[in-house]
Amino acid sequence: QKEVEQDPGPLSVPEGAIVSLNCTYSNSAFQYFMWYRQYSRKGPELLMYTYSSGNKEDGRFTAQVDKSSKYISLFIRDSQPSDSATYLCAMKPRINRLAFGKGNQVVVIP
Amino acid sequence: GAGVSQSPSNKVTEKGKDVELRCDPISGHTALYWYRQSLGQGLEFLIYFQGNSAPDKSGLPSDRFSAERTGGSVSTLTIQRTQQEDSAVYLCASSSEDRTQYFGPGTRLLVL
Repeated sequence: QKEVEQDPGPLSVPEGAIVSLNCTYSNSAFQYFMWYRQYSRKGPELLMYTYSSGNKEDGRFTAQVDKSSKYISLFIRDSQPSDSATYLCAMKPRINRLAFGKGNQVVVIP
Repeated sequence: GAGVSQSPSNKVTEKGKDVELRCDPISGHTALYWYRQSLGQGLEFLIYFQGNSAPDKSGLPSDRFSAERTGGSVSTLTIQRTQQEDSAVYLCASSSEDRTQYFGPGTRLLVL
């Protein structure tokens, strides 16, 4: 079993729809949870960063962490064509390396 | 300030040749990471440098891979005797004490 599972299937939504992405993990030592956005031929850029269970909002983005279920989610409200990218979940213990999911390619259709 | 930079942005090499990939982290960042991103595989951790501590090499896939970090700043990832399965995007990231990792644009390596 991989440490981080993210169904890599592409996702196409109409503009204005809610995008829902999620990851599960198996390592109880993970304490920090992140979502990165990666545009084509670019490096990943940090989108959201949380370290506790619950919700964190930043504009149209909401990150949700449920440590008891080892499950994290990212929601994008009022999706825009500029949100079209690959979204990667990532997590880590207190220090050291990130463990990534495989990423979801999201396409927002105008 | 400037972000993480990597060079070259693209590298095409022949099987069996050695390659060197360079990473310039954000100034002042003490931690530096190398990852590999292969099609359909997500990001795979390779190696981690933190200050003057011994690097964590646990992610290096074989002894053909090595990395150095000189003067606590610039890092070079070396792949010896490249194989076709080494073709991937090699990403470098750096972080300061707040642990947020900032990524460079990557080096796209193609081994023919």
